[in-house]
Amino acid sequence: ETGVTQTPRHLVMGMTNKKSLKCEQHLGHNAMYWYKQSAKKPLELMFVYSLEERVENNSVPSRFSPECPNSSHLFLHLHTLQPEDSALYLCASSPETGNTEAFFGQGTRLTVV
Amino acid sequence: GEDVEQSLFLSVREGDSSVINCTYTDSSSTYLYWYKQEPGAGLQLLTYIFSNMDMKQDQRLTVLLNKKDKHLSLRIADTQTGDSAIYFCAVSGNTPLVFGKGTRLSVIA
Repeated sequence: ETGVTQTPRHLVMGMTNKKSLKCEQHLGHNAMYWYKQSAKKPLELMFVYSLEERVENNSVPSRFSPECPNSSHLFLHLHTLQPEDSALYLCASSPETGNTEAFFGQGTRLTVV
Repeated sequence: GEDVEQSLFLSVREGDSSVINCTYTDSSSTYLYWYKQEPGAGLQLLTYIFSNMDMKQDQRLTVLLNKKDKHLSLRIADTQTGDSAIYFCAVSGNTPLVFGKGTRLSVIA
């Protein structure tokens, strides 16, 4: 148990659906992250939030929309996804955004059909 | 930006030592980490080393850092089948962690 919880663990959605991924951390950290992990590709950092403000957006398509209502919760809203968006989506948190380790959730395995 | 490289695969026999290597480019990296990912799971922090150290040992794990060559290694002694996983090297400076592509370790019984 890392202190970072993601729900759901598995999600299958159609290309016209709207769904949301949820992440919650109980570690008192100030920074939260979304990563995408696809087969045969390195971990891709998608979004970084520090104290509920987005500080990094790595050229992610607008069909992915993050939300950080407070420092303990992070959401990733999904709409009109493509099959190539199927991947493991990992949430992480850390005390600050630099010079520190990150703690990861178990991930949400997303399949777009 | 920072670039972190690892070999993709390593296969060892049970009981042997495993050595997973990593190179990085940013000499200002202050913390260097090893994460383990088992199938279907997230990344689990295994160990880390601060840039002013050259070695750290933690039970079966030994981390070696050659700062001059920007080379980091993870040695697992007496490798077990439960060590089969993907191992990620990650480095941290003033920016969020940068990860390598991961080394898939297969342990043969």
